[in-house]
Amino acid sequence: GESVGLHLPTLSVQEGDNSIINCAYSNSASDYFIWYKQESGKGPQFIIDIRSNMDKRQGQRVTVLLNKTVKHLSLQIAATQPGDSAVYFCAEKGVAGRRALTFGSGTRLQVQP
Amino acid sequence: DAGVTQSPTHLIKTRGQQVTLRCSPISGHKSVSWYQQVLGQGPQFIFQYYEKEERGRGNFPDRFSARQFPNYSSELNVNALLLGDSALYLCASSSGLAENTGELFFGEGSRLTVL
Repeated sequence: GESVGLHLPTLSVQEGDNSIINCAYSNSASDYFIWYKQESGKGPQFIIDIRSNMDKRQGQRVTVLLNKTVKHLSLQIAATQPGDSAVYFCAEKGVAGRRALTFGSGTRLQVQP
Repeated sequence: DAGVTQSPTHLIKTRGQQVTLRCSPISGHKSVSWYQQVLGQGPQFIFQYYEKEERGRGNFPDRFSARQFPNYSSELNVNALLLGDSALYLCASSSGLAENTGELFFGEGSRLTVL
């Protein structure tokens, strides 16, 4: 079936470095993607979203890139800080119904001081 | 301002029992969605309610049910609990049906353990 997945379960980076978290999707009809951050003991927190008619969107210290040719999504975090340590999920709208989000399994980002 | 609040935060049940989880959305939000998050995995969609009506349902058995009240709060009920129902149950609210946005606001969840 259709799925949203991630390449790496854990990513370790040095404080101050840039982080790149990747996500692959298989539903070519998906038209909306979201990145969420989930800290330990908390619910997911919206970071940034992107529609399929865009290939790049920037926020504060974060950039999402969408490559529809290879069905790949990435989240770039600039100057990674200890507070960025969390699990990051990409989510897709449209797979499980227009109003539901389909989440990937997540990537844990560990920021080393 | 209060965010999405859920209760209880933690609970332990035994197989075969029933559980009710509660959610209060952000003030002014009319839509509530429920997600199940098994340890080590991403959340999975269970239900969405808007204006007290079910607007979406995920691939969960009929043991799972929910409802939304006139004040837009919601309850999720799970009957005949199985060990596999152990998970973090997340409630999320949005101002509308969130057709064109993924900006759901999540609560901190109710951690259910089934023994």
